[in-house]
Amino acid sequence: KAGVTQTPRYLIKTRGQQVTLSCSPISGHRSVSWYQQTPGQGLQFLFEYFSETQRNKGNFPGRFSGRQFSNSRSEMNVSTLELGDSALYLCASSLELAGVTGELFFGEGSRLTVL
Amino acid sequence: AQSVTQPDIHITVSEGASLELRCNYSYGATPYLFWYVQSPGQGLQLLLKYFSGDTLVQGIKGFEAEFKRSQSSFNLRKPSVHWSDAAEYFCAVGAWNNDMRFGAGTRLTVKP
Repeated sequence: KAGVTQTPRYLIKTRGQQVTLSCSPISGHRSVSWYQQTPGQGLQFLFEYFSETQRNKGNFPGRFSGRQFSNSRSEMNVSTLELGDSALYLCASSLELAGVTGELFFGEGSRLTVL
Repeated sequence: AQSVTQPDIHITVSEGASLELRCNYSYGATPYLFWYVQSPGQGLQLLLKYFSGDTLVQGIKGFEAEFKRSQSSFNLRKPSVHWSDAAEYFCAVGAWNNDMRFGAGTRLTVKP
């Protein structure tokens, strides 16, 4: 059974640009959650999508957005990149809403560097 | 929303010694509690989880954790640490129909 797949694994952007990250969940999983990981901050919750609807949202500015497709694949977008957006972006999938199943399966992440 | 505090940023223990990693949560109702481990170059893996019932839960790799409602804590323990346990450990709290929130992590170094 394939795990959670995130693409691209590494990318470098400059300030002001935008970026789109992709996440393919485990087959059959309907929920996708996104987290930003930075040293000392741990995993900061961005948002969770379930059945193509954003169900929960963390405390991030509107520059961070996402969506989920009918096949449960998800994308997140960051516009007008800032230096502080440099981080590892993790995607996690679960069968149902994360708070219902309580178990997330994580991808290896997309490491974004903003210059 | 629920939140998690991991007071220790970095802990060093000798191989074979016992380990306890601290976790405190904040949530008004009964939380779901988890410990995840992130080994170098690998994704996060679930170690154990607590939903209800017995407050002492067993996980993989010989880890256990105890839920103490009076202290709002869910500390992770292992009686004898192995060099392969060196990693970053994250405590997380979830709730029914809610998302999961993670702590800042505790990095474990194991001395030979």
